[in-house]
Formats: sequence, C-alpha cells, structure tokens
Amino acid sequence: KNQVEQSPQSLIILEGKNCTLQCNYTVSPFSNLRWYKQDTGRGPVSLTIMTFSENTKSNGRYTATLDADTKQSSLHITASQLSDSASYICVVRGSTGFQKLVFGTGTRLLVSP
Amino acid sequence: DVKVTQSSRYLVKRTGEKVFLECVQDMDHENMFWYRQDPGLGLRLIYFSYDVKMKEKGDIPEGYSVSREKKERFSLILESASTNQTSMYLCASSLFSVGRGNEQFFGPGTRLTVL
Repeated sequence: KNQVEQSPQSLIILEGKNCTLQCNYTVSPFSNLRWYKQDTGRGPVSLTIMTFSENTKSNGRYTATLDADTKQSSLHITASQLSDSASYICVVRGSTGFQKLVFGTGTRLLVSP
Repeated sequence: DVKVTQSSRYLVKRTGEKVFLECVQDMDHENMFWYRQDPGLGLRLIYFSYDVKMKEKGDIPEGYSVSREKKERFSLILESASTNQTSMYLCASSLFSVGRGNEQFFGPGTRLTVL
C-alpha cells in the first residue's frame, strides 16, 4: 500500500534554532516528492520538489534531501523564525496510472520566542 | 501569482441541508481538485476534474458530488450534509496532469461544521 509517514507529529523549538523533519514513503514506482508549508487557516504552499535524480535542494532557509534508495526525505530548517510556525506536509507522486498524490499527515512546528 | 479562492472560510450547516462549496481559479488551469483535511488523516482526495464537464472520483467520493460548468470554477456539493462531513475542505488547481509533477495550488480552505 502506498503510504507516506512523517515524523515527528509535532515539534517545538526556540527561535533561531535549526530543526529537521522526516518523511518516509512506500510509494512505488516513485516520481517526485514535494514539501508543502501550511500556515494555520490557510491552504498548503509548495516549498520544494525533489525528483529521483536530486538528493538536495534548497529554498532559502529550507533544505530538502532525498534518498530514493531508502525512500526517505528530510526538510531542514535553518535559523528558525516565528513565521516558520506551520504544518509541513510531505507529498509523494507515483509514476504509474493516474499518478495520484499520496499525502503525509504533516508535522506541526511551533517556533517559540 | 496563481490565485485560488473559495466562497466561504467558515460555514455552519444543519444535518440534511444541501451544501455548495465554490472554488474559482484565475490561471486557466485544466485540473481542479477537492480535498478534505482532518486531524491525523492528512488530505484526502474527494473528486477531481481534468476539463470542463469532466469529473473523476477520488478516494472518498461517497456523500459528495461535483460540478464543473466552466474551466475556472469547480463546485463541491453535499447533497444531504451529515455530521461526519464536518471538516476542512481544500480546493486546488494545477496545469496539465498531476502525473507531470505540476504543482497544485491550494485555496485557503472552507471549514465546514455540520450540526
């Protein structure tokens, strides 16, 4: 069964600290993986997309990694800011048929002053 | 910038009422999607549409129907609302096919409460 699991479910860090969010997936065959940020009461917004051939991609203070062999991805946030408080959702797309997206349940991050 | 708007941010309805959730996108996207988002379950696809008057069932279509009469507008209909349909409803749109990896742009969501 195609699944995406994220950890931790929730996380509290102090402003200025770094953190890493994890995403493990079983979707096969794999096409790409996106990280979305969802602010409270808003829709998700894409942060980055990783394809099979990419293992690191940065978007400002956000750096995503992908290990397609172990089917793991991480999202590293550097020098966290209060505005980073949000849910981060990992979404994986398969590469057969309709190529439906498989969503993780998200990690809720709270950055505390 | 792509803009996806949803008709209501918050909605309260009674059991048995017919409910319409409207979604409009302004970027001429072919594909539109309706999801519901519940704590601990993530986003689940209800229906999607690749073109005007075209619709396909997602993972949880029961109790819902959709309408796409114009390219920019995708409506979700709850024929007879029930309490288990209390949820956050998110609309999204994208160019071409999800299969080509194109980003889905989400609206702000409608939080529906069915009493």
